[in-house]
Amino acid sequence: AQSVTQLGSHVSVSEGALVLLRCNYSSSVPPYLFWYVQYPNQGLQLLLKYTSAATLVKGINGFEAEFKKSETSFHLTKPSAHMSDAAEYFCASLSGGYNKLIFGAGTRLAVHP
Amino acid sequence: GAVVSQHPSWVICKSGTSVKIECRSLDFQATTMFWYRQFPKQSLMLMATSNEGSKATYEQGVEKDKFLINHASLTLSTLTVTSAHPEDSSFYICSARDPSGGLSYEQYFGPGTRLTVT
Repeated sequence: AQSVTQLGSHVSVSEGALVLLRCNYSSSVPPYLFWYVQYPNQGLQLLLKYTSAATLVKGINGFEAEFKKSETSFHLTKPSAHMSDAAEYFCASLSGGYNKLIFGAGTRLAVHP
Repeated sequence: GAVVSQHPSWVICKSGTSVKIECRSLDFQATTMFWYRQFPKQSLMLMATSNEGSKATYEQGVEKDKFLINHASLTLSTLTVTSAHPEDSSFYICSARDPSGGLSYEQYFGPGTRLTVT
């Protein structure tokens, strides 16, 4: 069965430091992969998506992610964290048939001064 | 971009009553909508897939008689929690798929509805 694993339920960084949120997927076919951000009591906002085009995907708010087939990974990075980046981040993949989104457990990012 | 709204944003109801949550696609027609449930500090759990004009497809373990889903038009899906109990308290999020878009599989999420059952 298809699954998405996010390593680290909590990540804490200093303002200005590199942000790295890890995501690994399992899929028997090339997946479509997504990163979403959720602020408290809000819905999900799409940060970026991989659709089998370029392996390095740039998204909003300075985030980017690289699809690595050999590692079955799609890690999210941002060179310099900002206080406003503190939120919950979800990695997701589309299941076979592109009907259902499979979500990882989420990673809560804290940014401290 | 595609916008999805939910109403209400939060609701408090008494145990045993029913509550209806609306999900609307504001600037596109959504043949397929999805309903998710999210417990505090947890991920989203897909409850059901709703297709316009047909019965919803429920995920395993979701009580279809308790969580009634209706997708009567291309812009509106509703989730009714019947005979609500405190354990139904949760954050409910809907999403909609725009088949006319370039990426027809992409889902657009609503802002969520916080349900508290007392």
